[in-house]
Amino acid sequence: RKEVEQDPGPFNVPEGATVAFNCTYSNSASQSFFWYRQDCRKEPKLLMSVYSSGNEDGRFTAQLNRASQYISLLIRDSKLSDSATYLCVVYPSGNTPLVFGKGTRLSVIA
Amino acid sequence: DGGITQSPKYLFRKEGQNVTLSCEQNLNHDAMYWYRQDPGQGLRLIYYSQIVNDFQKGDIAEGYSVSREKKESFPLTVTSAQKNPTAFYLCASSLRPGNGYTFGSGTRLTVV
Repeated sequence: RKEVEQDPGPFNVPEGATVAFNCTYSNSASQSFFWYRQDCRKEPKLLMSVYSSGNEDGRFTAQLNRASQYISLLIRDSKLSDSATYLCVVYPSGNTPLVFGKGTRLSVIA
Repeated sequence: DGGITQSPKYLFRKEGQNVTLSCEQNLNHDAMYWYRQDPGQGLRLIYYSQIVNDFQKGDIAEGYSVSREKKESFPLTVTSAQKNPTAFYLCASSLRPGNGYTFGSGTRLTVV
């Protein structure tokens, strides 16, 4: 089983739609979780950290389910500018580097 | 403004030549990382360093070398031993392990 798994997509959704991505991780001792956004031919940028109680930032909501070892990202009222690849990122523990998923591609269509 | 700077943005080299990619940060971050990304693929870890004068191999270290003589700087050398060096190279830094990373804008290396 891969350390961090994501559906590669693409998810093609109309403007204004709600879309959700899930990501599973294999290490039950993982301590920190993040969602990054990467635009085409650009560097990844931190979208949001994911907290145990779930957290929201505007139209974006992140959830963590430790029992099932998955995290999710919900985007409400999708905008054309949300089109990007979304990377699920996990910190396993013990001073090791973050583990990046391969990303889920989102295209928001007018 | 604090940030992480990679240079150059684009680099062209002939096959068989070594090339060094620069990465400098003024965020006072302890840890620095190098990743490689191929078209349509995920990030693959090359090397990382958590303190000055110390670094560890990542998943694809063969054909690469690094140094960490200063906290601010973590240059990557792509040697002639790297069989397929053409890729997008990303440098990142974090205050400490487990914190989110800040990435540089990357260097696109093309070997002809």
